[in-house]
Amino acid sequence: KAGVTQTPRYLIKTRGQQVTLSCSPISGHRSVSWYQQTPGQGLQFLFEYFSETQRNKGNFPGRFSGRQFSNSRSEMNVSTLELGDSALYLCASSLMPGSYEQYFGPGTRLTVT
Amino acid sequence: QKEVEQDPGPLSVPEGAIVSLNCTYSNSAFQYFMWYRQYSRKGPELLMYTYSSGNKEDGRFTAQVDKSSKYISLFIRDSQPSDSATYLCAMSFTGNQFYFGTGTSLTVIP
Repeated sequence: KAGVTQTPRYLIKTRGQQVTLSCSPISGHRSVSWYQQTPGQGLQFLFEYFSETQRNKGNFPGRFSGRQFSNSRSEMNVSTLELGDSALYLCASSLMPGSYEQYFGPGTRLTVT
Repeated sequence: QKEVEQDPGPLSVPEGAIVSLNCTYSNSAFQYFMWYRQYSRKGPELLMYTYSSGNKEDGRFTAQVDKSSKYISLFIRDSQPSDSATYLCAMSFTGNQFYFGTGTSLTVIP
């Protein structure tokens, strides 16, 4: 069974631009969560989607948004990029929301210059 | 104060050593406790999961939860060079949102 895939793997953007990251969950998994990973803060929860609905949201500004499609694929968008948005963005999928068994993708490394 | 505190290391041990990795937390409402392993350029992978207090063993890995002290541990016996990675603890109240430590970098020297 294929794992979680994330595209692109690496991205360089300029301050003020916007970016869209994509995540394809494991086949059959309907819940997708997004995390931001930085050396100082570790993994921080961004949001969780299930059945195309956002179920939970972490403590991030409104510049961070996401959505989920009917095939469970998910995208996250960051608008008006700031230098501090440079991070590894990880997507995790699980069968159902609330499951401790999350499977992570390899992440998208975003660098903002 | 962060919800979950974890010593970043780095930790370097000889092959065959017993490794102890620890996290402390501030919120006594956490019920689910997990350990993840993350290799360089990879996403985290779930190693161990414990609900509430107690110990859980899986091969060379043992997870311990001490809710009275708000302290969790992961022990690795007979450590191998392939265990070299960053280890992340994670916790949750209900399984809906997870709080992660910053990770401890471990190197096992052959």
